[in-house]
Amino acid sequence: DAKTTQPTSMDCAEGRAANLPCNHSTISGNEYVYWYRQIHSQGPQYIIHGLKNNETNEMASLIITEDRKSSTLILPHATLRDTAVYYCIVRYNTNAGKSTFGDGTTLTVKP
Amino acid sequence: DAGITQSPRHKVTETGTPVTLRCHQTENHRYMYWYRQDPGHGLRLIHYSYGVKDTDKGEVSDGYSVSRSKTEDFLLTLESATSSQTSVYFCAISDPGNPYEQYFGPGTRLTVT
Repeated sequence: DAKTTQPTSMDCAEGRAANLPCNHSTISGNEYVYWYRQIHSQGPQYIIHGLKNNETNEMASLIITEDRKSSTLILPHATLRDTAVYYCIVRYNTNAGKSTFGDGTTLTVKP
Repeated sequence: DAGITQSPRHKVTETGTPVTLRCHQTENHRYMYWYRQDPGHGLRLIHYSYGVKDTDKGEVSDGYSVSRSKTEDFLLTLESATSSQTSVYFCAISDPGNPYEQYFGPGTRLTVT
């Protein structure tokens, strides 16, 4: 599985877009990029995933660079409730979802 | 929210005692997982299950065993709890078609004194 690198922490103003980067320079052709978040004391929450194309759902957008070596999770209008730890993982979409989550990025949305 | 419950939600036990944590799902998902999370760290996989009576070890399986006799239930057992197993335990579920789109339970906070 490709290694991912994320900043330890980021701040964002409420109402502005939050752009969370993830570097995965060793990603292989069939590995997907997944994003999760964990709000304090809760179980992690699946956000979005993608392979090559940009993806959007009701929670966020995922932008993957053309060379697939990095990606950005975009929360278009961050709210205080988006304050959480955001995890980026890269995995083959086969077998069981055996995964260990790294330390992620702590996003703090400020009023 | 996915129909995943964990019981108990909180437990305090003494070193050397056996402990069983239960994960119950109503989503009929085939894959189930147990993770632990220690303060300031991400999640580490303990055991996972591909289906009924089909389980395998994860990254930190020593000291833990699991059983899955029904699709909806995945049990995690600490045969003889140690203080190093004090942690928050999360259960998750997913389907074979998209195994990393996992849905998590609310967690069980276990303290071993």
